[in-house]
Amino acid sequence: ETGVTQSPTHLIKTRGQQVTLRCSSQSGHNTVSWYQQALGQGPQFIFQYYREEENGRGNFPPRFSGLQFPNYSSELNVNALELDDSALYLCASSPSPHNEQFFGPGTRLTVL
Amino acid sequence: GIQVEQSPPDLILQEGANSTLRCNFSDSVNNLQWFHQNPWGQLINLFYIPSGTKQNGRLSATTVATERYSLLYISSSQTTDSGVYFCAAYNQAGTALIFGKGTTLSVSS
Repeated sequence: ETGVTQSPTHLIKTRGQQVTLRCSSQSGHNTVSWYQQALGQGPQFIFQYYREEENGRGNFPPRFSGLQFPNYSSELNVNALELDDSALYLCASSPSPHNEQFFGPGTRLTVL
Repeated sequence: GIQVEQSPPDLILQEGANSTLRCNFSDSVNNLQWFHQNPWGQLINLFYIPSGTKQNGRLSATTVATERYSLLYISSSQTTDSGVYFCAAYNQAGTALIFGKGTTLSVSS
């Protein structure tokens, strides 16, 4: 059974650019959630996707957007990057929206 | 929304010692998870424990939902136990995990 995978592992962008992060969910899981973890903090919920629809959103601006595909993989898009967007971005999948979540290894984004 | 508080923020142990990490939450929860974050940032699932007690090797966890707290016990600690331990509980909608600030554990030989 393949676990949650994320790509890329590291990314460097400049302020104002756009970025797309990718996540493949664990086999049998239809729900994907995205989190942002700043240095020294706990992860903060961005949004959740369930069966290709957004199923909940945290306190993040609209320039953070996402997609879920029919195979339940997901993308996180961030437009107009700001320096404060530098963080570890974590993706988690679960068998359903209210179930145990399993995390991928993360993508470390640096915005210069 | 739900608040999750962890204590202590930092813990320093000698190898072989036992420890207890605490997680308090402000409202009733339907899901509570404990994680260990390794130095590369990966969150490793330790326990999914909305209530009751579970054990896995040297680790065990107890959640008392009616009193709104959970405890993680680490016995005979090893240097590989070092890292940050997080507890997280679902928000009211059951969509987002709300994380505490973590306990940073350092185990020295």
